[in-house]
Amino acid sequence: GAVVSQHPSRVICKSGTSVKIECRSLDFQATTMFWYRQFPKKSLMLMATSNEGSKATYEQGVEKDKFLINHASLTLSTLTVTSAHPEDSSFYICSARATSGANTGELFFGEGSRLTVL
Amino acid sequence: EDQVTQSPEALRLQEGESSSLNCSYTVSGLRGLFWYRQDPGKGPEFLFTLYSAGEEKEKERLKATLTKKESFLHITAPKPEDSATYLCAVQAGAGNNRKLIWGLGTSLAVNP
Repeated sequence: GAVVSQHPSRVICKSGTSVKIECRSLDFQATTMFWYRQFPKKSLMLMATSNEGSKATYEQGVEKDKFLINHASLTLSTLTVTSAHPEDSSFYICSARATSGANTGELFFGEGSRLTVL
Repeated sequence: EDQVTQSPEALRLQEGESSSLNCSYTVSGLRGLFWYRQDPGKGPEFLFTLYSAGEEKEKERLKATLTKKESFLHITAPKPEDSATYLCAVQAGAGNNRKLIWGLGTSLAVNP
């Protein structure tokens, strides 16, 4: 299957700093990428959908000024957590869909990034 | 309200002991049901897509089936390496209103 690489896998930062997480599709072009957040023993929570070259669409309740998403190319999307606070500590996972109009369920996921804000 | 419910929440099996995981759903306009496997600290790994009632898919020791109300993931003679959380997701709606609705998962532990 398609490979999605996410980096870093773990990051620890101080409160008030910003953290950038990268998501790359390695062997296919991803017209759409999704960013999820997952709490322990909870379901995946969709944060936002990003389409290459356009602004991301954020889910209700997700602060777009806090979670900046950029999808500048067909193989790279980034999530920047700005002015991070301890409550932002979580497991962030990106996923990608290869072709527009295809079934959104067949997503290829990155390995996830564990963010810990001290 | 669209909803996906997985059961049991956790399941412990002995190696070789077959069982089934359940994913029941209530959505308007089902457009697909998906099974994923997630290992601790990792992103989900795609397993199957099912589109219509009566459809079945198989991969190694896993077989997924679908009815109009639920899906089962059957695990035949499981091995310890099958231990993981199995997630079910349902795609509902159409066009710009398409979205995935996720269950909470079933945590499977297979003892040697």
